[in-house]
Amino acid sequence: EPEVTQTPSHQVTQMGQEVILRCVPISNHLYFYWYRQILGQKVEFLVSFYNNEISEKSEIFDDQFSVERPDGSNFTLKIRSTKLEDSAMYFCASSVGQDDGYTFGSGTRLTVV
Amino acid sequence: AQSVTQPDIHITVSEGASLELRCNYSYGATPYLFWYVQSPGQGLQLLLKYFSGDTLVQGIKGFEAEFKRSQSSFNLRKPSVHWSDAAEYFCAVVGNDYKLSFGAGTTVTVRA
Repeated sequence: EPEVTQTPSHQVTQMGQEVILRCVPISNHLYFYWYRQILGQKVEFLVSFYNNEISEKSEIFDDQFSVERPDGSNFTLKIRSTKLEDSAMYFCASSVGQDDGYTFGSGTRLTVV
Repeated sequence: AQSVTQPDIHITVSEGASLELRCNYSYGATPYLFWYVQSPGQGLQLLLKYFSGDTLVQGIKGFEAEFKRSQSSFNLRKPSVHWSDAAEYFCAVVGNDYKLSFGAGTTVTVRA
C-alpha cells in the first residue's frame, strides 16, 4: 500500500536554528499538507500546497515557516529560527483531491532545546 | 468554521467487548467526516470516511461509523475489540475550506 514517508522520525535542535522536515508524498497525489500536534493538544492544520503554491495556511504558519516542493517527489517544511514552542509532532499528508481521505506520514517529532 | 468534539478523553474496554467512540461535529452544510487512529509512535491511519450516501460506513480493522445528521454525530463502533485496538482515535471534519479539523482524540485502553 502506498505510503507517505517522513524523515527524520525525530529531530532535536537548538533554539534559533533552522530545521527542514522532509516528506515524500504518494506519487499520484496532487495536494500536500503539513499538520502538527503539540504534546497533549489537538492535531492542527498548518498549510496546504497545490500546483506548486500554497493554497491555504493557518495563523500558526507565520513568516518563520515555509514549504517547498524542490523536485517531483519531496515536500519540505522549513522552520527558519526555531522556538521552544515549535516542539511538536509534525505530520505530512497528501491526497488525490481536496475532499479525499488524506494519507498521513508517521510524523517527525521535533524537539527544540 | 467547522469543529469536532470528542466528549470522551479516555475509554477502557475489555478485550472482546464492544466499543463506541463518540464524535459530534459543527458545520452548516453536509460535512466530510473521517476517523483516524494513531498507535503509539505511529502516524495517523485512516479508518473510514463519510462523504455522502449510506450513513453507515464500513472501515478497516472491523470498524464502522454512523452519520446522524439530526444529532450532528459520527460515532465509531467496533463489535469486539482486540488488544491491538489500543490507540488514540481522532474524529475529523473537512468543511468548504478543505482543511481537516480534528477533535481532541479519545485514548482507548484494552484490558485482558
